[in-house]
Amino acid sequence: EADIYQTPRYLVIGTGKKITLECSQTMGHDKMYWYQQDPGMELHLIHYSYGVNSTEKGDLSSESTVSRIRTEHFPLTLESARPSHTSQYLCASSQSTARYYGYTFGSGTRLTVV
Amino acid sequence: DAKTTQPPSMDCAEGRAANLPCNHSTISGNEYVYWYRQIHSQGPQYIIHGLKNNETNEMASLIITEDRKSSTLILPHATLRDTAVYYCIVRVLHSGNTPLVFGKGTRLSVIA
Repeated sequence: EADIYQTPRYLVIGTGKKITLECSQTMGHDKMYWYQQDPGMELHLIHYSYGVNSTEKGDLSSESTVSRIRTEHFPLTLESARPSHTSQYLCASSQSTARYYGYTFGSGTRLTVV
Repeated sequence: DAKTTQPPSMDCAEGRAANLPCNHSTISGNEYVYWYRQIHSQGPQYIIHGLKNNETNEMASLIITEDRKSSTLILPHATLRDTAVYYCIVRVLHSGNTPLVFGKGTRLSVIA
C-alpha cells in the first residue's frame, strides 16, 4: 500500500560514476525528505523540501544534491560516487496540513560503491 | 523539539505485552509525543501520537503521564513481527519548517 516509491531498491556502482536515486509519491504531499542510514545506526536527515523549487540541507553534511521541480518527485544525485557514500537512503513525505503530521517512508535504496 | 530518552534495548516474550518507556521531561505544552518504528532497515512507520490523553489504535496504546514528562508505548500482544527499533519523538503538531529528527530509539526483540 506504499504511496511513496524509491528506485532502484539496490544499486552497486563503481567509484566516480554519477548516480540518481529516484523518489516519487502519489499522495500530493507538499514536503519531502531524504535520510541516510548506515547499518545498525541512526537515521540522519540530509535534504528536505517544503515545496516545488524549495530545497534545504539537513543536519548531516552530504555531497549529494536534490531537486524539486514537481511536487511528486524528489530525486537525489551524486555527481561522483565514492565508497564513503555506501549507505541506505530513505525518502519520506508529509503533508503540512495533515491531521497528525505523520511521515510516510519509502522502502529505501541500498547503495554500494565499489 | 524536546529531547527524549529511551532504553537502548528491551526483550519481550511473544504473546506478552511490550511496554516501551520514553522520558521527555522538558516537553512543552504544545508538543505531542509521536512513536515510529523501523523494522530491519525498512523505512520507519508511524505508530501513534498523543498530547495528554491516552490513545489507542489498531497497532498500539500510548499512555502519557499526567505531568507529561514520560510516556509508554504498549504493544498488547507482541509478535515476532514486532521486533524493530522504536522511536519516541516529541514535537509540535504543525512544526512548520522543522523536519523529524530520529534518535537512537529502543531496539525491541520479541522472543519466541
